[in-house]
Amino acid sequence: AQKITQTQPGMFVQEKEAVTLDCTYDTSDQSYGLFWYKQPSSGEMIFLIYQGSYDEQNATEGRYSLNFQKARKSANLVISASQLGDSAMYFCAMRLYTGTASKLTFGTGTRL
Amino acid sequence: DVKVTQSSRYLVKRTGEKVFLECVQDMDHENMFWYRQDPGLGLRLIYFSYDVKMKEKGDIPEGYSVSREKKERFSLILESASTNQTSMYLCASRHPQGNYVFGPGTRLTVL
Repeated sequence: AQKITQTQPGMFVQEKEAVTLDCTYDTSDQSYGLFWYKQPSSGEMIFLIYQGSYDEQNATEGRYSLNFQKARKSANLVISASQLGDSAMYFCAMRLYTGTASKLTFGTGTRL
Repeated sequence: DVKVTQSSRYLVKRTGEKVFLECVQDMDHENMFWYRQDPGLGLRLIYFSYDVKMKEKGDIPEGYSVSREKKERFSLILESASTNQTSMYLCASRHPQGNYVFGPGTRLTVL
């Protein structure tokens, strides 16, 4: 079964330090996509970063980078130089293609 | 800037009522989705639609139905609301380039 696992319910980080949020996934598909979203207390889902299964390089977006280890089926989010505004829920998600559309499956989230 | 709007941020309904949650996107996207979010469970897919009048069940469709009469509007319907449907409901649409844009969410309480 397709599954996304986030094993850290909560994490603490000091300002200006880096933090890694873990995400592992399980799929037998060869083509898939991995996303990270941020959800502040206001509730909106903010897209952070995307990695395609065929992408050779790890994705980066400003202070966010995705540590993609395909053989281990992990897609950890690294936030560098943490700021107060980084306090939020973070969700890892996997996109899989069905016959009609592509669906996002989410992990349970990590509160930073 | 692309936008997904939901009809209400907060909604309180009584058990047994029929509830409509509306979602509108202004991006001409074909794919739209309804999720519910509960603490400790993340976001779970209820239904999705890949075109007008086309829909498919997600992972937890029981107790819900959907309607997509126009491309920009995707409605979630609770035929007879129950207390276990108290939750945050999030609508999303998918950009052709792959990203998903979410609405602000509707926090529904069923008494």
